[in-house]
Amino acid sequence: LAKTTQPISMDSYEGQEVNITCSHNNIATNDYITWYQQFPSQGPRFIIQGYKTKVTNEVASLFIPADRKSSTLSLPRVSLSDTAVYYCLVGDLYNFNKFYFGSGTKLNVKP
Amino acid sequence: DTEVTQTPKHLVMGMTNKKSLKCEQHMGHRAMYWYKQKAKKPPELMFVYSYEKLSINESVPSRFSPECPNSSLLNLHLHALQPEDSALYLCASSPSGSTDTQYFGPGTRLTVL
Repeated sequence: LAKTTQPISMDSYEGQEVNITCSHNNIATNDYITWYQQFPSQGPRFIIQGYKTKVTNEVASLFIPADRKSSTLSLPRVSLSDTAVYYCLVGDLYNFNKFYFGSGTKLNVKP
Repeated sequence: DTEVTQTPKHLVMGMTNKKSLKCEQHMGHRAMYWYKQKAKKPPELMFVYSYEKLSINESVPSRFSPECPNSSLLNLHLHALQPEDSALYLCASSPSGSTDTQYFGPGTRLTVL
């Protein structure tokens, strides 16, 4: 099971681009990388998922290098409402529904 | 309807009580999950039901007993809990596959006295 490592916290200002990196050195061939966002006293919310290279949706981009030992979540032009905890998960495609949350990164967006 | 609902929102119980947490989704998802989350910690996977069958039990103590009556409902029966079991209990569902997006409910805040 791939273990993930993320920075405990990050600070940013409104309007900036934020990049949060997750390390997963022992990622397996069948593993996907997924990011979730969580606000206090709420359930996590899916942000983005990828397997390799780059994935982009309406809220974020996910960059995965060729060796897949790390991944970077990129949030363009953050606002105060993006203040939350961001979790990186690595999941085994064939180990059915077995995903584990990493320690998470607390992003603080300042005005 | 893309919502997972959980009841109750808050629950206070004594160590000798028996209570149940309920989770419901109407998205046609065939996988449902229970997580436990302590303050300032990530969610910890407890149980996974796949097509109404228990597929994963993460060595959870027997005082927690999951039940999946049908594809839309998931219960967590609680009995003889300890104060250290106080936490936010999250329910989630996903369409079916192991890489599917999980949709989380708002959670039940449980306090064991």
